[in-house]
Amino acid sequence: QSALTQPASVSGSPGQSITISCTGTSSDVGRYDYLSWFQQHPGKTPKLIIFDVTKWPSGISNRFSGSKSGNTASLTISGLQAEDEADYYCCSYTSTGTYVFGSGTKVTVL
Amino acid sequence: QVQLVQSGAEVKKPGASVKISCKASGYTFTSYLIHWVRQAPGQRLEWMGWINVANGDTKSSQKFQDRVTLTRDTSARTAYMDLSSLRSDDTAVYSCARSAYMDVWGEGTTVIVSS
Repeated sequence: QSALTQPASVSGSPGQSITISCTGTSSDVGRYDYLSWFQQHPGKTPKLIIFDVTKWPSGISNRFSGSKSGNTASLTISGLQAEDEADYYCCSYTSTGTYVFGSGTKVTVL
Repeated sequence: QVQLVQSGAEVKKPGASVKISCKASGYTFTSYLIHWVRQAPGQRLEWMGWINVANGDTKSSQKFQDRVTLTRDTSARTAYMDLSSLRSDDTAVYSCARSAYMDVWGEGTTVIVSS
């Protein structure tokens, strides 16, 4: 199972909005709404920020929002803040009962 | 609070096996899946497999299918990941995560494979 495709890096200025894409296939992203996003700061464990494409876990800011169209999911970070600088990974359930992570995107706040 | 506590770092020689534990607390252990995920230095997250803690069913990535064994001890509230035939490129941080959503993560266990 190949990794889902994400841009290697995305940057934005404080207060701006940025969007990270996550492209899979009709066997994973396109088939199921079991799509999550994780934020990972350097040296830290991943943190779930979006699940089931659009839902927030308790305590997660609504500045993070998710969507999906066809085989591509997206994470939008609104009102970009310095603390949002981190790596972001998408993760999808697949038709074989397995899961697959994305290639990861480094977000830089300029 | 909900917590997953993993076993300590390991250094192994190529060809050896490693068994990592993940002890759960703060929730009903049998109500949630446990996933195993690894991250090699500077690399992306890589999903390895899950175990249904309630009945012991497992599913692994095809990449690790022949080398990984996932088990659990419900009385000890602990899940285990055993990886055999270790190679240098298995050097990574191995983490357990709770539920289909991976909403709670262990702190990670560093495994170094070196001769």
